[in-house]
Amino acid sequence: EAGVTQFPSHSVIEKGQTVTLRCDPISGHDNLYWYRRVMGKEIKFLLHFVKESKQDESGMPNNRFLAERTGGTYSTLKVQPAELEDSGVYFCASSQDYRGEQYFGPGTRLTVT
Amino acid sequence: AQSVTQPDIHITVSEGASLELRCNYSYGATPYLFWYVQSPGQGLQLLLKYFSGDTLVQGIKGIEAEFKRSQSSFNLRKPSVHWSDAAEYFCAVATPGGGNKLTFGTGTQLKVEL
Repeated sequence: EAGVTQFPSHSVIEKGQTVTLRCDPISGHDNLYWYRRVMGKEIKFLLHFVKESKQDESGMPNNRFLAERTGGTYSTLKVQPAELEDSGVYFCASSQDYRGEQYFGPGTRLTVT
Repeated sequence: AQSVTQPDIHITVSEGASLELRCNYSYGATPYLFWYVQSPGQGLQLLLKYFSGDTLVQGIKGIEAEFKRSQSSFNLRKPSVHWSDAAEYFCAVATPGGGNKLTFGTGTQLKVEL
């Protein structure tokens, strides 16, 4: 069984540009989560999808971040326009049900210069 | 709001020695408790979890953790560390009924000396 995959593994962009991160959850997992780790800080929750619906987006930092989950399958996280403080590692996780183990992807390292 | 504290940012142990990683949480009731590990280039892997019941939890890789309500702690222990255990370890909590979103500590980087 394939695990959670994320693309790209690393992205370097300039301030003001747009970047889109993609997450493919484990097949059949209705729950999809995005987290972010800024260097030196803890991993922080961004948002939670149940199928294609946003269940909880309380962790989204501001309206420059837009997350979508097309047809309840893969998800994208767009940052537009990117700022320096958006640099960090973005993790995606999926789980079969809301109490189930969250399986994490390897993360996307975003560097904004 | 709940929070998690991992007081040790870095820990170095010798191979074969015992290990204890500390975790304290702040929450009004008993949350769900987790330990994750991240090896370089890998995603986070769940080591063990506590929802309720027996306060001593067994996980993978010979790891265990003990929930102590009176101390709001969930410390991880391993009796004998192997060089392959070198990684970053994260303690996390989730609010029951809160959609299972995780609140993480800052992580403890474990180095193993041969």
